Amino acid sequence: GAVVSQHPSWVICKSGTSVKIECRSLDFQATTMFWYRQFPKQSLMLMATSNEGSKATYEQGVEKDKFLINHASLTLSTLTVTSAHPEDSSFYICSAYIPTGVGERETQYFGPGTRLLVL
Amino acid sequence: GENVEQHPSTLSVQEGDSAVIKCTYSDSASNYFPWYKQELGKRPQLIIDIRSNVGEKKDQRIAVTLNKTAKHFSLHITETQPEDSAVYFCAASRTGGGNKLTFGTGTQLKVEL
Repeated sequence: GAVVSQHPSWVICKSGTSVKIECRSLDFQATTMFWYRQFPKQSLMLMATSNEGSKATYEQGVEKDKFLINHASLTLSTLTVTSAHPEDSSFYICSAYIPTGVGERETQYFGPGTRLLVL
Repeated sequence: GENVEQHPSTLSVQEGDSAVIKCTYSDSASNYFPWYKQELGKRPQLIIDIRSNVGEKKDQRIAVTLNKTAKHFSLHITETQPEDSAVYFCAASRTGGGNKLTFGTGTQLKVEL
């Protein structure tokens, strides 16, 4: 089946530092990836849509200068949390979209998530 | 934009009983409705999905029904087992998985022995 990986699985950093999270589609090419944030006991909130070779589309209220997204290849998207603060601590999950005709049903498959703790 | 409401927020059932989770959506253009199961600290796993051209879909103990007129869809789990305990999310989007998903608020299902 479709596999999406994320790295790192968890990270602890000091306030003010930047953290990069990678999202990879391992066995298919993903022209579109999505980044979500999930706070404890809450739902997934879409942060941005990442399209290969173009600028990401951010949801309302998400600071594009703080959450930098790069989708440089068909298998890799990165999310960089710049100048992280304690309120950025959360579970960050990416997903990759598989279009029809690629062997799997047309849907989104999620990575395992990255737990970020900013001290 | 799309707004998805989900009920109940928590659901406790006895093993072997059925569980039903309901969602409503606001955007009449939404035509793809997946359901995800998320265990604590893990990724959401797609368990079943339905498109607007179908009213019902079943996969073993899991079924989903869709009422386009009323703009609501439901997840039905029969013969529940302890391993069904998790948080379940419904979602809605336009034109399939390539468009952004709007998630419901989640239902914590607990199957008791």
